[in-house]
Amino acid sequence: GAGVSQTPSNKVTEKGKYVELRCDPISGHTALYWYRQSLGQGPEFLIYFQGTGAADDSGLPNDRFFAVRPEGSVSTLKIQRTERGDSAVYLCASSPVHGDGYTFGSGTRLTVV
Amino acid sequence: GQQVMQIPQYQHVQEGEDFTTYCNSSTTLSNIQWYKQRPGGHPVFLIQLVKSGEVKKQKRLTFQFGEAKKNSSLHITATQTTDVGTYFCAGPGTASKLTFGTGTRLQVTL
Repeated sequence: GAGVSQTPSNKVTEKGKYVELRCDPISGHTALYWYRQSLGQGPEFLIYFQGTGAADDSGLPNDRFFAVRPEGSVSTLKIQRTERGDSAVYLCASSPVHGDGYTFGSGTRLTVV
Repeated sequence: GQQVMQIPQYQHVQEGEDFTTYCNSSTTLSNIQWYKQRPGGHPVFLIQLVKSGEVKKQKRLTFQFGEAKKNSSLHITATQTTDVGTYFCAGPGTASKLTFGTGTRLQVTL
């Protein structure tokens, strides 16, 4: 596609529920990144994929967070047993190769009530 | 871990005035990137600087990378209302992740 697409744009869920956030990167971009941004803060790194593999998942806050990219294109960020502190905008970005500037998607605003 | 700080946190200028934001990293960077995020929007890549002392211009925007590759600046000449937003610098940390700075929010009024 022309840009990075993220769905849903907004997600409201109850505390304790499971959510999946989807990212469709720019076609041909091998590097894919997930970030989380809270109000008034800069984006905070979660995980980086090179192709199908997670090259760096050091930013995932705990084992409730997991992400996959099975075919090296679309990625899904999965959050189990959501907590109110998980509320934030989850941003996905891709780049042609690792180290280039990122193209971000519009983000998914997650609200845990 | 790596820290990237920006000053000021917020600046309010009159249209036509100049604006500068400064970025400082706790570690030496191989490169630095700048992004702009409009209110309610997502970060948009502006530029990447790689060489020590490098200066790049994009119309009214001038970007500099420090000689020691630990700091950078973004200068906007004659601001316009379209320049409103938050400007982030970002530098590569360990191995792979890009660490974003704290951001400088620019407000421009007529």
